[in-house]
Amino acid sequence: DQQVKQNSPSLSVQEGRISILNCDYTNSMFDYFLWYKKYPAEGPTFLISISSIKDKNEDGRFTVFLNKSAKHLSLHIVPSQPGDSAVYFCAATLNQFYFGTGTSLTVIP
Amino acid sequence: DVKVTQSSRYLVKRTGEKVFLECVQDMDHENMFWYRQDPGLGLRLIYFSYDVKMKEKGDIPEGYSVSREKKERFSLILESASTNQTSMYLCASSFPGTSNEQYFGPGTRLTVT
Repeated sequence: DQQVKQNSPSLSVQEGRISILNCDYTNSMFDYFLWYKKYPAEGPTFLISISSIKDKNEDGRFTVFLNKSAKHLSLHIVPSQPGDSAVYFCAATLNQFYFGTGTSLTVIP
Repeated sequence: DVKVTQSSRYLVKRTGEKVFLECVQDMDHENMFWYRQDPGLGLRLIYFSYDVKMKEKGDIPEGYSVSREKKERFSLILESASTNQTSMYLCASSFPGTSNEQYFGPGTRLTVT
């Protein structure tokens, strides 16, 4: 039973535009949410996180939004760059990490 | 810089073989994890460990076992490899607490023929 879902397997965006990656979850008890980025043949690397008591966290070009009532999380990348092309996983934590299925982002130069 | 290393990047084994995947971290992290990544299924937790000699089952422990004899090392064991265990295996480590990010190794691509 997938508690964290990323319904878009892939996304293509023009360089310089905004990339929006979405994530939905089912368990209202999750306390932290994280985004990871994964390049081929490498392990995932941490990107940004947000506590369940907040609704927004920003780090440079990356902003994560949390809508608890909708059980929805999104990652905004502005402006998108070709180096952002990777697979993005969202994760939620309770007693362990629960990862989504990933969204493959392609930024077109 | 945190470093998590895995013993092999690519491994090919035959059905029925016993397979050992090793993971070592150098940041004195208490927590260590084994995941497998499959297309369309994301990362699924196999086992994790909060301390030496301690282990907890994740979501898909069947067919796997683990060993943690030293803090820096966490081994995943496939007692009798099967073709449905062909996958990318990722090891991770972290400090205690679910707000702490996990640091991942580069992964081992295991093929069971």
